[in-house]
Amino acid sequence: AQRVTQPEKLLSVFKGAPVELKCNYSYSGSPELFWYVQYSRQRLQLLLRHISRESIKGFTADLNKGETSFHLKKPFAQEEDSAMYYCALCSGGYQKVTFGTGTKLQVIP
Amino acid sequence: NAGVTQTPKFQVLKTGQSMTLQCAQDMNHEYMSWYRQDPGMGLRLIHYSVGAGITDQGEVPNGYNVSRSTTEDFPLRLLSAAPSQTSVYFCASSYSPSGNTGELFFGEGSRLTVL
Repeated sequence: AQRVTQPEKLLSVFKGAPVELKCNYSYSGSPELFWYVQYSRQRLQLLLRHISRESIKGFTADLNKGETSFHLKKPFAQEEDSAMYYCALCSGGYQKVTFGTGTKLQVIP
Repeated sequence: NAGVTQTPKFQVLKTGQSMTLQCAQDMNHEYMSWYRQDPGMGLRLIHYSVGAGITDQGEVPNGYNVSRSTTEDFPLRLLSAAPSQTSVYFCASSYSPSGNTGELFFGEGSRLTVL
């Protein structure tokens, strides 16, 4: 069974400080990992996906298969980054997508 | 494009009542899914579908039924509502949930309260 763990329910950082949102997964095959974000009063939306190795809004995430992790990082937090962040795993193809419990990021001015 | 549309946005039910949450998408997506969002538990998959006529169970399917008669619609049915089903429900669709095009598009959510 696939599982996604986000150990922090709430992460508070000051503006300009680095951010790291943790995500660990459990899956026996080759997973595809995603980060989704939900800003206040907006729909849940894709932030980035590991397969693209992209940087979106200054965020990056590297898949570490040895540690089964996919942590989300940003060097300098901005107030507009305050939101709920969900890590998600897809087992490939048209398979189910499993989400973690989410981490609320609060950026303090 | 309207994207993913869910109705109703809010609903209050009494224990034992039945209802259907509607979900429609106009993006010709094959993949559709239903999640419930509860405090501290994140998003949990209820059911999903990879195309018309094909559905499968997710993590928490008990108490819910789905069908997929068309590509556009994926209704979620509660046959006999229970207080434990009080939650916010999200419908999501995707051209493909994986790969370089992997992206789920979410509806605005439906807040259900069961008394």
